[in-house]
Amino acid sequence: GAVVSQHPSWVICKSGTSVKIECRSLDFQATTMFWYRQFPKQSLMLMATSNEGSKATYEQGVEKDKFLINHASLTLSTLTVTSAHPEDSSFYICSARVSRRAGANVLTFGAGSRLTVL
Amino acid sequence: AQSVSQHNHHVILSEAASLELGCNYSYGGTVNLFWYVQYPGQHLQLLLKYFSGDPLVKGIKGFEAEFIKSKFSFNLRKPSVQWSDTAEYFCAVNAGPNSGNTPLVFGKGTRLSVIA
Repeated sequence: GAVVSQHPSWVICKSGTSVKIECRSLDFQATTMFWYRQFPKQSLMLMATSNEGSKATYEQGVEKDKFLINHASLTLSTLTVTSAHPEDSSFYICSARVSRRAGANVLTFGAGSRLTVL
Repeated sequence: AQSVSQHNHHVILSEAASLELGCNYSYGGTVNLFWYVQYPGQHLQLLLKYFSGDPLVKGIKGFEAEFIKSKFSFNLRKPSVQWSDTAEYFCAVNAGPNSGNTPLVFGKGTRLSVIA
């Protein structure tokens, strides 16, 4: 079945540095990928929708300049957390739509990346 | 805007007990409904989905869910749980037909603990 590979699975960084998280669709092309953030004991919150070859669409309240999303190819989307601070520590999850059926939006999820900012 | 409410934060059951996890959504139009499961240390996996047709949906591992449009509900059920069902369960919704690439909106999740 469709697989989404997400790396790194866990990253620890110092405050002020930038961290890049990669999301790859391994056996299918993903024109659209979604980036979610999950806080402990809370739901997945959509951060942005990443479209191949165009600018990402960010949800209200998500800083575009802090969370840079690039979707340069049909199999790769990246999320860069710039100038990370401790409050950015979270679990970031990417997902890609695998169904061609309009409106279906069956998503396959990556394993997630746990970011800890010291 | 769509929203999803899962009533139970944590459910503890003995093996062989029956399970029902509540999920209500708010959206005025046609919806697609999903249940995802996240086993400890693993990523989200699709359990079952409803797009249209028979409101009683069968999923993997013996799970089923019933879409009751009048109640805006999509409760997840399993007649007899196993220890291996211990996981976090998420209900999700997105707008129905012609929604293009609209993302899923998730509930806060319900942690299920099954004890021997």
